[in-house]
Amino acid sequence: DAKTTQPPSMDCAEGRAANLPCNHSTISGNEYVYWYRQIHSQGPQYIIHGLKNNETNEMASLIITEDRKSSTLILPHATLRDTAVYYCIVRGPMNRDDKIIFGKGTRLHILP
Amino acid sequence: GAVVSQHPSRVICKSGTSVKIECRSLDFQATTMFWYRQFPKQSLMLMATSNEGSKATYEQGVEKDKFLINHASLTLSTLTVTSAHPEDSSFYICSASSRGLGYEQYFGPGTRLTVT
Repeated sequence: DAKTTQPPSMDCAEGRAANLPCNHSTISGNEYVYWYRQIHSQGPQYIIHGLKNNETNEMASLIITEDRKSSTLILPHATLRDTAVYYCIVRGPMNRDDKIIFGKGTRLHILP
Repeated sequence: GAVVSQHPSRVICKSGTSVKIECRSLDFQATTMFWYRQFPKQSLMLMATSNEGSKATYEQGVEKDKFLINHASLTLSTLTVTSAHPEDSSFYICSASSRGLGYEQYFGPGTRLTVT
């Protein structure tokens, strides 16, 4: 699986959009970009994933560049409950034993 | 849907004893379960992958005789930390996947183990 690079930490004011970047310059054509987050002392939570097109769900939007070498997770109106570590992961098509390898992620602090 | 639970949520045990952690898929049958360990301020590290009815596959550096994994049914996997030591104190997280759910992994809430 391709490696990802994320900033170690970011701050965002409550109510503003939080934009979390991720570089994945070695991504292959059949690999997806996934985002998870982990709130302190909880298990990871799936947020969103995409292949080429931008994606949006009730939690966030995912913008993938045309060359697919980077992406941005957007939390449109950040709240204090969005304070967490956000993991950007590149994964191939899933099969039974598909592993998720977590990097260090970005620690997002939402400031009141 | 796709809920995974863990029990207990936190446990304290004495050095030298064994402790068992359960991971259950509540509303789906999990063909594969994964066990992760997370030390403070660090990322999740995959320990092992277990498929129902077969032996677990351990990641490099994880002692299979110390961390016993049993996946006896499609809804239950257990991790037993044998002869626990203070350095085994950690946050243990399981995840489960199934073919019917496209092999997406659904994570449990984690178990905080403290060895005194």
